[in-house]
Amino acid sequence: GQNIDQPTEMTATEGAIVQINCTYQTSGFNGLFWYQQHAGEAPTFLSYNVLDGLEEKGRFSSFLSRSKGYSYLLLKELQMKDSASYLCAVSMNTGFQKLVFGTGTRLLVSP
Amino acid sequence: EAQVTQNPRYLITVTGKKLTVTCSQNMNHEYMSWYRQDPGLGLRQIYYSMNVEVTDKGDVPEGYKVSRKEKRNFPLILESPSPNQTSLYFCASSGGGDLEAFFGQGTRLTVV
Repeated sequence: GQNIDQPTEMTATEGAIVQINCTYQTSGFNGLFWYQQHAGEAPTFLSYNVLDGLEEKGRFSSFLSRSKGYSYLLLKELQMKDSASYLCAVSMNTGFQKLVFGTGTRLLVSP
Repeated sequence: EAQVTQNPRYLITVTGKKLTVTCSQNMNHEYMSWYRQDPGLGLRQIYYSMNVEVTDKGDVPEGYKVSRKEKRNFPLILESPSPNQTSLYFCASSGGGDLEAFFGQGTRLTVV
């Protein structure tokens, strides 16, 4: 089976740094995506990690440890517009490249 | 502009009345999928398609049908909708399994 866990909700202050964790147990793991979803809107792509290590992209960074089944999304210099849900999604190779999503972490950034 | 277009955005219907939600992409992507999103359950895959005339079930296919007659279109069909299919639906396309998925704007369906 497959299991993807991430915290349901987090709060942080504008200008701060927040780390959103994601742990997974899946078979046929290929890589891990992070998506951002504002309330009532479509998810949008943030990052994709295949190899272990940290990938930095502006204020957002994503880390992957394949051996530990663990990833995190790091958001720096938080802005009010970063208030959204952050979805962790595992790409699995089951003949077809299947994408399985976690339930998402709702981040609230306060002034 | 690269996009995935779903229609309608909002739909209220009655139990048993057949409906179709359309999805179209202009990026020449081979992979297309349908998801439903429910509170506390996240995005769950309903059906996916790897190319024209190639479709398969996702995790929650019961009560849904799809077709892929053309590369750009991937409609979702509910032959006899029931209240437990009330949900937010997203269509997505990608150029491959390890490439980012582009999502449509969503269809909020209510079945009464």
